[in-house]
Formats: sequence, C-alpha cells, structure tokens
Amino acid sequence: AQSVTQLDSHVSVSEGTPVLLRCNYSSSYSPSLFWYVQHPNKGLQLLLKYTSAATLVKGINGFEAEFKKSETSFHLTKPSAHMSDAAEYFCVVSEYGGSQGNLIFGKGTKLSVKP
Amino acid sequence: DSGVTQTPKHLITATGQRVTLRCSPRSGDLSVYWYQQSLDQGLQFLIQYYNGEERAKGNILERFSAQQFPDLHSELNLSSLELGDSALYFCASSPSTGFQKGNTIYFGEGSWLTVV
Repeated sequence: AQSVTQLDSHVSVSEGTPVLLRCNYSSSYSPSLFWYVQHPNKGLQLLLKYTSAATLVKGINGFEAEFKKSETSFHLTKPSAHMSDAAEYFCVVSEYGGSQGNLIFGKGTKLSVKP
Repeated sequence: DSGVTQTPKHLITATGQRVTLRCSPRSGDLSVYWYQQSLDQGLQFLIQYYNGEERAKGNILERFSAQQFPDLHSELNLSSLELGDSALYFCASSPSTGFQKGNTIYFGEGSWLTVV
C-alpha cells in the first residue's frame, strides 16, 4: 500500500532564506506525487505535481520539487522564503491504477516565516 | 479560486442531529471526492463519485452517506452526529475518474462542521 511521510511537522525559516520541506513516499506502482498548500482558513491549493516526466518539477510561487526514485523522496524547495509562504504544506501520493482514495496525504508540515 | 464551491462554509449543530454539505464541482468535472480533515486523523478520503455513480470508498462511517446528482453536484449527509465528527470537510473534483496517471484533483475551501 502507498504511504507518505513528511519528515518535519514544523519548519521555521527567516524571510529571504531557503525553504526545504521533506517528503518520503512508499508506493507499489509508478506514483504521481503532488504538493498542496493550505493557508489558514483556506482550501487546498495545488503547488505542483510529478507524473513521470521531468524529475525536477516547477510549481507556482517559486516552489519546485525533485523526484528521486532511488531515495523515494519528493522534497519541496524554494530559494527564498516570503512571509506569504507561511502555511501548511501537504505531500500527496496517487497511485496509477489504485482503487482507493486516489490521493493519500501526508500529515502536513507547518511552515513559519520569520521577518 | 479552484472553481469548486462548497456550502455552507460554517455549521454548528448539536449531537444526534443530521446535516447536509453541498458541493458544486468545477465546470466540466465528472468526479467529486469528499475528504475529512481533523486534528487527530489528518486528511482522510471518504468517498468518490464519478458521473453519478459511487466509484471508490474510503474511511466513511456508516452514519455518513453521499450522492451525486445528474447536474453533477454532490451532497454529503452526516447523521447521528457525534462530537468527534467536528472537522473540516473538503469537496474536490477532477475531470476524470482519478485512475489516470497525473490526474489533478482540485479542492474547495471546505465546510467547517462543529458538533456541540
């Protein structure tokens, strides 16, 4: 069965410094991987997705993620944090051909950005 | 704005009561999904409908039910409510069944349910 592990429940960075949110996945099949962001009292917004094309995926708001099959990782990065990036981030796996739930969410990483 | 509309945004009700949450998917999307987000369980898949028919079922309680209507909007019915049902309920939609590689699912802003 597929699963997602977000290695940090909370990450705190200073504005202007790099962001790294870590995610490891487990999948029996060829997975699709996503990062979603949830701002306070808001819905889930898709940041980016990997579907077996380029392993380095660029998303919105300057975020990108690299799919590393050998490490079963899909870490999210951004070169320079902005105050508006403060939110909760979810790493998500969807198995091609899977029949249950389609999306399996990690427990989330809360990103805080200090001025 | 994802294009997925959920109503009501907030709802407070008493234990034992029944509520209905409504979802309008993005224009043209045939699949609707319901998810529950709670502090202790995180985000959990409840159920999926595709073009009016149930397609996949997750951790949905027997007290909960859903349906998708011919106009593709969906309703999630929660009955015999308990305190532990207090959560944020998300609706999401996608163009296809969800079984295709790379299928993107778009989420609404959620309905906050508080059971007192």
